[in-house]
Parts: sequence; structure tokens; C-alpha cells
Amino acid sequence: DTGVSQNPRHKITKRGQNVTFRCDPISEHNRLYWYRQTLGQGPEFLTYFQNEAQLEKSRLLSDRFSAERPKGSFSTLEIQRTEQGDSAMYLCASTWGTGGNIFPRNEQFFGPGTRLTVL
Amino acid sequence: SQQGEEDPQALSIQEGENATMNCSYKTSINNLQWYRQNSGRGLVHLILIRSNEREKHSGRLRVTLDTSKKSSSLLITASRAADTASYFCATVDQGAQKLVFGQGTRLTINP
Repeated sequence: DTGVSQNPRHKITKRGQNVTFRCDPISEHNRLYWYRQTLGQGPEFLTYFQNEAQLEKSRLLSDRFSAERPKGSFSTLEIQRTEQGDSAMYLCASTWGTGGNIFPRNEQFFGPGTRLTVL
Repeated sequence: SQQGEEDPQALSIQEGENATMNCSYKTSINNLQWYRQNSGRGLVHLILIRSNEREKHSGRLRVTLDTSKKSSSLLITASRAADTASYFCATVDQGAQKLVFGQGTRLTINP
């Protein structure tokens, strides 16, 4: 399977703990996105990378959140000092984009997500 | 933040009927995309329509875009039980690089 993979699929943690999620994009894609989805809502953009550069961050990404893509391949999203409000599905997506222009076919390919529950 | 409204929020129809979902947005867009999400699974891209296009077809899917009204519709013809899912529209603003999703329509196809 050459799709986007995410690990773990489920994470239960206690409030105040740190958690880290991993995303492995489709190998030829240079752009990687993180979204958060709460129950009954559409996904909300958190941040995206082009290669190893983090190009945009949402105001939703508080200072407790940090994302990295050190070698331009996989990415990690860390949440420090988790709060109950962080409980959500965290989705990763990848696509191909060039510079400041949107590649003509910029559909995004999503992974299955990591469901976080903070007790 | 969510881009806009999807209408209806939930839709239940009989197998074989057509399903129409609507999406409104607020900004100037580069393109609009529709995604499907089955229970417990990730989102799957269905179709993309650019701001200079008015209609696109893909199999049983038909998408329209009216930029003057800032709205789009997704029509699924001859629905099947496997079409049961949540459907989301997502826009890419002019000059932006990210998707902005609506709140989705939950579609149930009854056998």
C-alpha cells in the first residue's frame, strides 16, 4: 500500500501528558499537511510543509503544538501538556505542489488519522 | 475556521434515488473540491472544479460551481448503499495553499 499512513491510529492519554503522532506521506509528494477534525465538523487546517520547510501555521496551532518534517519525508506532530480540548482526530494529507503556484491537480491524499482522547 | 455552510446537514434517501448536496463559501477561490469520508476512515478526494469551470462530471458524480453566488452542488445519481458517508466541500482560496472545509453533509442510503 503506497498511500498515506499515520501512527498510532488511536491514542488515549491523561491530561498534561505529551503525545507525538507520525505521518508517512506518499513518497513522491513534496507537500504534507496536518488537519484536526472534531466530531460532526469538517477538518480544520493546522500547518503544512513543502519539503522540510514549514510554510504556514494556523492560529489553532498553539505553542503547545509543534510539527516537524526533518528530512522532507515523514512528519511528526507533538502536543505538549495535553488538554481535554485537544481530543480530536488528527489527519495528515500529502500532495504535489510547486513553489507559490498551485499544481493544476492539487487533490490531497489523506491518511486514516490518529484519534486522540485526552482523559 | 470553517469556510461556510453545507446544506443539508443530513440527507436520507432510498437506494437508486439521486442525492444533491449544496455548499456555500465566502471568499474568492482558485478551486473547490469534494471529499467523501466513510465512518472511521480518512477522506477520499472525489472531484475538483476550478473557478473558471461551471460543471464537471465523473462517473455518477456531477458538480456545479456558481462563483457569482459563491456556491457549489454535488449530485450523486443512482445512489447505492456504498455511497453512505459524509461529504465535504473544500475550497482553495486565491493565492492560498490549504483546503478550507465545510461542515459536511451526512448521507444515508437506505436499501
